[in-house]
Parts: sequence; C-alpha cells; structure tokens
Amino acid sequence: NAGVTQTPKFQVLKTGQSMTLQCAQDMNHEYMSWYRQDPGMGLRLIHYSVGAGITDQGEVPNGYNVSRSTTEDFPLRLLSAAPSQTSVYFCASRGASSGNTIYFGEGSWLTVV
Amino acid sequence: AQSVTQLGSHVSVSEGALVLLRCNYSSSVPPYLFWYVQYPNQGLQLLLKYTTGATLVKGINGFEAEFKKSETSFHLTKPSAHMSDAAEYFCAVIVETGGFKTIFGAGTRLFVKA
Repeated sequence: NAGVTQTPKFQVLKTGQSMTLQCAQDMNHEYMSWYRQDPGMGLRLIHYSVGAGITDQGEVPNGYNVSRSTTEDFPLRLLSAAPSQTSVYFCASRGASSGNTIYFGEGSWLTVV
Repeated sequence: AQSVTQLGSHVSVSEGALVLLRCNYSSSVPPYLFWYVQYPNQGLQLLLKYTTGATLVKGINGFEAEFKKSETSFHLTKPSAHMSDAAEYFCAVIVETGGFKTIFGAGTRLFVKA
C-alpha cells in the first residue's frame, strides 16, 4: 500500500530552469492537491484537483502548472524556476473511500539558485 | 473565503503540563476539521479528525480536540505533555463548497521543557 508517492525528494535547480514534481496515489482518491511549506507560513495551497480533467488554482498558483489526466497522477510543473520557489513541496490526496482523511507524500525539497 | 487561524506560532509548556493549541476557522457551513503533526524534516501525520457525530474527538498519542460550532473552534489538547510531543502542529479545514479546498493554518510549534 504505497499511499502518496512524490518524486524527487531533493532537487537543485538553476534560475530559469523548468522541472516537474511527480505525484501519484493508489487509493483512487478524487481530490489531489499541491502545497508549499515555508517557515512561519504553514502550508499554502498551490493547485488542486477534484477529479481527472479538473484542476483549479489555490492561494499561490503563479509560476506553477498542473494537469490531471488520470485519477492517480497529479504532476506539478515549475515553468521557469525562481529563487522564491525554494521551498518544501507536499502532494496530498483524499477521498470518500478514506473518510476524507488527507494523505501526504513525504515531501520534495527544492532549492533554486 | 474560508480561513484557518492558529493562535500562537510558538507554545512552550513544561513536561507534564497541559497542552492547549488553538484553532479557529471561518466557514458558513459545517466543515471537516483535522489536526496534523509534523516532526522535523518529516511529512505530516494525522492526529485526529472531525467529520460528523461526536464533537469531542480522540486521536493518537493522547491528544483530543473538541469541535465547537458556536465558537468556530477546534482546539487541540493533551492533559500531560511529553518531551516527544515537541513538533509543529497544523489545523486544517475542508469545506465542501466552492471547490472542496483544504486550507491549513500557519502552524504552531510546540516546545516541551524538561
């Protein structure tokens, strides 16, 4: 039972580079989200999805894209990395089948230099 | 817009003392409410949740929380703090309107003194 799997765990990018953080869940959850965690600011919602083919913006969507082509996968794309995107990123999923408990990936530590 | 407010970014208690971490939410409809704990350099672990039914919810590690609709609060308590409770705690709310977003508070870091 893998739960929510995020990759990579650590990444260093140069300013202007693009990359994709992968997220997959095997619980058939409807809802998936991406958060970034910065000191003193808690978890801020970047983008979320309520089902395959449906995505929407959260609190801090600028500089990020998402897609949800399947129920299982919800990749987060950084279009042109900036130092302000240095953060820890968490993918999360939840569904009625799990009583709406939010399950998190282990996190991705991203540094943009 | 829905929001979650955690009062106090840092809370310090002595070992054996009561732990009280405060969480207030703004919502016009009954929410789902959660408390998560995060230990250094780790992910988030569910402590407890309220969805429906009994308003006093018991979780892991001796923690409990009470949903008070009239006060829009969901404060987390533990009768006796242990050194291993030192961590950051997050309150979260899901509101099943306008997008089903899950919103987290800014977090409260709990320090436990020997």
